[in-house]
Amino acid sequence: DAKTTQPPSMDCAEGRAANLPCNHSTISGNEYVYWYRQIHSQGPQYIIHGLKNNETNEMASLIITEDRKSSTLILPHATLRDTAVYYCIVRDDKIIFGKGTRLHILP
Amino acid sequence: NAGVTQTPKFQVLKTGQSMTLQCAQDMNHNSMYWYRQDPGMGLRLIYYSASEGTTDKGEVPNGYNVSRLNKREFSLRLESAAPSQTSVYFCASSEGGAAYEQYFGPGTRLTVT
Repeated sequence: DAKTTQPPSMDCAEGRAANLPCNHSTISGNEYVYWYRQIHSQGPQYIIHGLKNNETNEMASLIITEDRKSSTLILPHATLRDTAVYYCIVRDDKIIFGKGTRLHILP
Repeated sequence: NAGVTQTPKFQVLKTGQSMTLQCAQDMNHNSMYWYRQDPGMGLRLIYYSASEGTTDKGEVPNGYNVSRLNKREFSLRLESAAPSQTSVYFCASSEGGAAYEQYFGPGTRLTVT
């Protein structure tokens, strides 16, 4: 079973920051938090991952709470191309996908 | 680099037929994975290979077999296809271990009638 809980869907206005929450209250010390997205029926695309510290790359920022029981993916300036299903995954070795959050970017 | 490639892209089978889905990666990754995705659902892990010469079951292994042919190639075989195996199949690879991201192929869309 997936170890994460995400809202099934969210809306965000184009140009605004999209903040996608994820709960992972049973995460253990050696498990990473990963985010992937899937556009239409393409293969999932890696976005970002982290263990304890907040992380930022060219696509997004990942904010992990101090107790590591939840995290937030931030897309700083959402565009229509960011419309996708976003998966938050807690990973030791294998990746177990949940149902994700369907993000709609509104023009 | 082509990344992760999968063949075929589309396939239609009759119930009881067999086929092998092929996957190859050119990133010198140690680990490879097979997932299936049913309509409106997330991906489910079928089998994985942590390193060349090893394979392990994932969440939904029944009805499938795998072969890690070499470091580059990881194939998935359906011995006797069933309509319940109609799905999109994704292959992925990674360096291995939790610290490394997985890279996914474009998928194979399989219909079993």
